[in-house]
Amino acid sequence: NAGVTQTPKFQVLKTGQSMTLQCAQDMNHNSMYWYRQDPGMGLRLIYYSASEGTTDKGEVPNGYNVSRLNKREFSLRLESAAPSQTSVYFCASSPMGGEKLFFGSGTQLSVL
Amino acid sequence: QQQVKQSPQSLIVQKGGISIINCAYENTAFDYFPWYQQFPGKGPALLIAIRPDVSEKKEGRFTISFNKSAKQFSLHIMDSQPGDSATYFCAANSGGYQKVTFGTGTKLQVIP
Repeated sequence: NAGVTQTPKFQVLKTGQSMTLQCAQDMNHNSMYWYRQDPGMGLRLIYYSASEGTTDKGEVPNGYNVSRLNKREFSLRLESAAPSQTSVYFCASSPMGGEKLFFGSGTQLSVL
Repeated sequence: QQQVKQSPQSLIVQKGGISIINCAYENTAFDYFPWYQQFPGKGPALLIAIRPDVSEKKEGRFTISFNKSAKQFSLHIMDSQPGDSATYFCAANSGGYQKVTFGTGTKLQVIP
């Protein structure tokens, strides 16, 4: 049972480049989330999807877009990367809205 | 606006000692208070959680103490072990609400 799988694990971008972070879960969870983790700031919610076909903004959505492709997959896109988006990104899923989050192993992104 | 304040930022405890991490919240609508444990290079994992209808919850060496009137809750790790060295996050959310608010994290180091 793989749980939550994120790809890639590491990525280096130049300012202005675009990329998509992929996330898939095999636990049949309804809710999926994207967080960013920065030193001293904890985990901040970027976007979430309460169920297939719906997405909503979190605390820090600016500069990001998301797609809930199906129940399993939830992708995060950076259209024009900025150095402020250098961070570790975590995807998570939950069987019951916001409780018992299951996290992937993260994507370390550097924007130069 | 940080709705969950966590302290200390870092903590060093000797093997066998008690580790105590504290959190305070502002939103009285919160009704679910989990703690997550994160090892380097990994995503956070749910450790233990409590609801405000009880004042304490214990699972093995880990105990959550909850003070509803003071709007505070804490994690106690008894007989701390080097394998407990990790970053710990408190969190809070309300009634199936999707947005989970995390504290800023505490890096625990247990020295032999």
